[in-house]
Amino acid sequence: GENVEQHPSTLSVQEGDSAVIKCTYSDSASNYFPWYKQELGKRPQLIIDIRSNVGEKKDQRIAVTLNKTAKHFSLHITETQPEDSAVYFCAASKGGSYIPTFGRGTSLIVHP
Amino acid sequence: ETGVTQSPTHLIKTRGQQVTLRCSSQSGHNTVSWYQQALGQGPQFIFQYYREEENGRGNFPPRFSGLQFPNYSSELNVNALELDDSALYLCASSLTVQETQYFGPGTRLLVL
Repeated sequence: GENVEQHPSTLSVQEGDSAVIKCTYSDSASNYFPWYKQELGKRPQLIIDIRSNVGEKKDQRIAVTLNKTAKHFSLHITETQPEDSAVYFCAASKGGSYIPTFGRGTSLIVHP
Repeated sequence: ETGVTQSPTHLIKTRGQQVTLRCSSQSGHNTVSWYQQALGQGPQFIFQYYREEENGRGNFPPRFSGLQFPNYSSELNVNALELDDSALYLCASSLTVQETQYFGPGTRLLVL
């Protein structure tokens, strides 16, 4: 089955810095890659996603890049703010049914 | 918020008991998936229902079962509870199988 590795497990940055979280996946048939943000005690919320027919997608301060050849994708957050502090999960899924395999999560801490 | 609701929010059971968790999907969403999220881990896929039929199952034993109803609600049933079943249980609904999933707030289950 699919295996998703996520790094780093913890990321600490100063407000205003950029943050990058990286994921790799094992199944070359995977074609949909969402990113979720989960604040303490709350539900995971979709923040951005990318499909395998594009290499990059941006939404304001957030961007995701995908390298299908290397089977890795990354989340980039620019101009980080304290409210960006949360656990971020990447996921990968394939085929006709969207059943994602999640990474173990990255705890992002943004210091004011 | 996503429009996906779950009940109860918290639950305490003892080992060997049975539990039923409930989810109300966003209106019009015909697909619901259930996940188990242990502390410090990413969500683990339990199963998915599409139009009231099971559409995929993760690596969970048969004592984890589910139902989906025509009114967009669904249930997760767990029999013979074990200590390791203590976790946050999340449901996620989507417009259809290949669409993005939106999570509910979760039910936190503690098995003593």
